[in-house]
Amino acid sequence: ETGVTQTPRHLVMGMTNKKSLKCEQHLGHNAMYWYKQSAKKPLELMFVYSLEERVENNSVPSRFSPECPNSSHLFLHLHTLQPEDSALYLCASSQGGTANEKLFFGSGTQLSVL
Amino acid sequence: LAKTTQPISMDSYEGQEVNITCSHNNIATNDYITWYQQFPSQGPRFIIQGYKTKVTNEVASLFIPADRKSSTLSLPRVSLSDTAVYYCLVVRGYGGATNKLIFGTGTLLAVQP
Repeated sequence: ETGVTQTPRHLVMGMTNKKSLKCEQHLGHNAMYWYKQSAKKPLELMFVYSLEERVENNSVPSRFSPECPNSSHLFLHLHTLQPEDSALYLCASSQGGTANEKLFFGSGTQLSVL
Repeated sequence: LAKTTQPISMDSYEGQEVNITCSHNNIATNDYITWYQQFPSQGPRFIIQGYKTKVTNEVASLFIPADRKSSTLSLPRVSLSDTAVYYCLVVRGYGGATNKLIFGTGTLLAVQP
């Protein structure tokens, strides 16, 4: 148990659906992240929030829309996805801004787009 | 951000010591070196972090030479359950802003019986 909880664990959606991924952290951290990991590829940083403000949007298509209502919760809203968006989506949190920053990851949401 | 280079894959046998080296030639004075472990279909897990010389915890040791341009993760007496991808990151604080924590390709360690 890392203190970061992601739901759902698995999601299958059609290209016209709208769904949301949820992440919650119980560690008192001030930063939260979304990463994408396609099969046999490295993690790709998608979004970074620090103190509920987005500080990094790594050229992610607009069909992915993040939301951070408070420092403990992070959402990723999905709409009109493509099959190539199928991947493991990982949420992480940290106490940001220091050189010895450590990430704590959730177990991820395995997304399949049909 | 300091770029890191590590081997794509390594093979070992149960009971052996495994050393994975990471190069980070443009590491800056205030940077820390952090290693993560990832099993399939799971998020990476923090293993160990260091600034210089040697750090040891219950899982691994981290050796950092004086010039800090490389680091070596040492896993003592590996078992089959240590089969995973290991990532080396160099982390730089931005004085209050959040770091962009970028993962490279990592090293796939395969432990054989």
